[in-house]
Amino acid sequence: DAGVTQTPRHEVAEKGQTIILKCEPVSGHNDLFWYRQTKIQGLELLSYFRSKSLMEDGGAFKDRFKAEMLNSSFSTLKIQPTEPKDSAVYLCASSLGGLNYAEQFFGPGTRLTVL
Amino acid sequence: GDSVTQTEGPVTLSEGTSLTVNCSYETKQYPTLFWYVQYPGEGPQLLFKVPKANEKGSNRGFEATYNKEATSFHLQKASVQESDSAVYYCALKDTGNYKYVFGAGTRLKVIA
Repeated sequence: DAGVTQTPRHEVAEKGQTIILKCEPVSGHNDLFWYRQTKIQGLELLSYFRSKSLMEDGGAFKDRFKAEMLNSSFSTLKIQPTEPKDSAVYLCASSLGGLNYAEQFFGPGTRLTVL
Repeated sequence: GDSVTQTEGPVTLSEGTSLTVNCSYETKQYPTLFWYVQYPGEGPQLLFKVPKANEKGSNRGFEATYNKEATSFHLQKASVQESDSAVYYCALKDTGNYKYVFGAGTRLKVIA
């Protein structure tokens, strides 16, 4: 079975650019999550979708981060405009949802460097 | 709100020695507890999960017991190998809540 796919694996952007990260969840999963991972802050939840509906839009990340789920098998995370402090690994995860004990399946992540 | 606290890393061990990574949690609900492992260049992957109190989970020689009274879920392995070098995350998910709450992660380095 295919796991979670993320592209690109690496992205380098100049400050002020717009970047779009892509994610394909595990087929049949209802829940999709976007996280930012840094050594200092660990895993921070950016967005959460249930059955393609946005349930959480990330609070402090709202102003420049926008996640969308156009269909059940594809999601994007747009960062506009990028800032150097956005340099991090962005992880996408999916789960069956609706079950307390359902685990998350993570993609390999996109490493973003903003110059 | 819910929280997870785990052993601060990095932890450096010699091959063949035993490992304990402490994990304590706070919640008012009845969570499922998870241990994830993350290798360099990869996303976290599930090591094992335990949905019920007083039960044990295990995988690849790692184990942890869901201790509801002590609100703990400590990860143990009797004899670590170099290939166990990774970051380990303790996490919980509450009943009726979509959020997964992760600890800060514990980086383990095993030297030959």
